[in-house]
Amino acid sequence: DGGITQSPKYLFRKEGQNVTLSCEQNLNHDAMYWYRQDPGQGLRLIYYSQIVNDFQKGDIAEGYSVSREKKESFPLTVTSAQKNPTAFYLCASSIINSNQPQHFGDGTRLSIL
Amino acid sequence: GQNIDQPTEMTATEGAIVQINCTYQTSGFNGLFWYQQHAGEAPTFLSYNVLDGLEEKGRFSSFLSRSKGYSYLLLKELQMKDSASYLCAVRSYNTDKLIFGTGTRLQVFP
Repeated sequence: DGGITQSPKYLFRKEGQNVTLSCEQNLNHDAMYWYRQDPGQGLRLIYYSQIVNDFQKGDIAEGYSVSREKKESFPLTVTSAQKNPTAFYLCASSIINSNQPQHFGDGTRLSIL
Repeated sequence: GQNIDQPTEMTATEGAIVQINCTYQTSGFNGLFWYQQHAGEAPTFLSYNVLDGLEEKGRFSSFLSRSKGYSYLLLKELQMKDSASYLCAVRSYNTDKLIFGTGTRLQVFP
């Protein structure tokens, strides 16, 4: 079955550490996205990519970095510069320039130790 | 600026009908999506509107008025499993990015 896989489901970070969240899709979608969701708030866009080796900042990119070396993969690194990283992180993918919806992975919940 | 407004919480009774409203102000408009999200899970796609009018899909319907910047999601014959958050998201013109509202948490009671 095609879909989006995020791992791990739960992740803990010590102060000053960088951590990387994995996102893999086998839907053959060109576009991939990372969102952050906090309690009582909507999804906020961190980064997105519409093509391999290219990506753009979203609304809250500070303290995060991404790479898009393969069409299937769009890992997100939460750096030590992100002062409030505790949140639910969602990865999504979509076909570009169509009315098809974005499809979401099951999310990674990141907590600070 | 860009803004999407939804009620924060709603309650309803099993078997009833509930309407969840969404108003938006965005720089350009290229479609509106509704997603359902159970706590701690991924959002799942419910409906898409790009032209004015009503789209019906089983127990769920979604309406759009572009001139008013307004949409609603109508849920009929409510079931306990419909207790979830409902997210309204707007796609701006000439981009695939979505702007999400804060979501409406619906609780269905027996």
